[in-house]
Amino acid sequence: DQQVKQNSPSLSVQEGRISILNCDYTNSMFDYFLWYKKYPAEGPTFLISISSIKDKNEDGRFTVFLNKSAKHLSLHIVPSQPGDSAVYFCAASMNRDDKIIFGKGTRLHILP
Amino acid sequence: DGGITQSPKYLFRKEGQNVTLSCEQNLNHDAMYWYRQDPGQGLRLIYYSQIVNDFQKGDIAEGYSVSREKKESFPLTVTSAQKNPTAFYLCASRMGLAGNNEQFFGPGTRLTVL
Repeated sequence: DQQVKQNSPSLSVQEGRISILNCDYTNSMFDYFLWYKKYPAEGPTFLISISSIKDKNEDGRFTVFLNKSAKHLSLHIVPSQPGDSAVYFCAASMNRDDKIIFGKGTRLHILP
Repeated sequence: DGGITQSPKYLFRKEGQNVTLSCEQNLNHDAMYWYRQDPGQGLRLIYYSQIVNDFQKGDIAEGYSVSREKKESFPLTVTSAQKNPTAFYLCASRMGLAGNNEQFFGPGTRLTVL
């Protein structure tokens, strides 16, 4: 049973526009959420995170929004750039537990 | 220059043979992790270790073994008991429970069983 779900396997966005990647979770005990970016044949790199006590965290072009009542979070990238083309993983953990649960990822294509 | 290294980048093995994947970190992190990535499956946790000489099974530990004799090293052995070993293997580390939950990943090893 997937606890972290990324329902869109892929997403195409025009360069310069906003990319919105979505993630849903089922476990209400999750209190920390992360987004990772991954290029082919490389390890994921950490992008941005958010604690459950917040509903928004911003870092440059990247903003993560958390809606606890809907058990939903999203990553906004604006403006989208060609280098943003990658697979994005949503992840969650609880009580600073040492395990992180990853979603299956969404492949983002930035179109010229 | 701190980071996580995994070697080799590509590894081929004959069916029925054991193989060990290397993971080293010089970040002084307490916790280390092994994941495998398959197409459309995301990252699945194999084993993890919070401190030296201690480790726990993840979600898909069958057919794998690990050791944590040194803080900086967490090798993963893929045994012949692993029924579908061909995958991309990722090692990660984390500061520890006192820090945040961010895990740092190595570049990965692609294992192909012939």
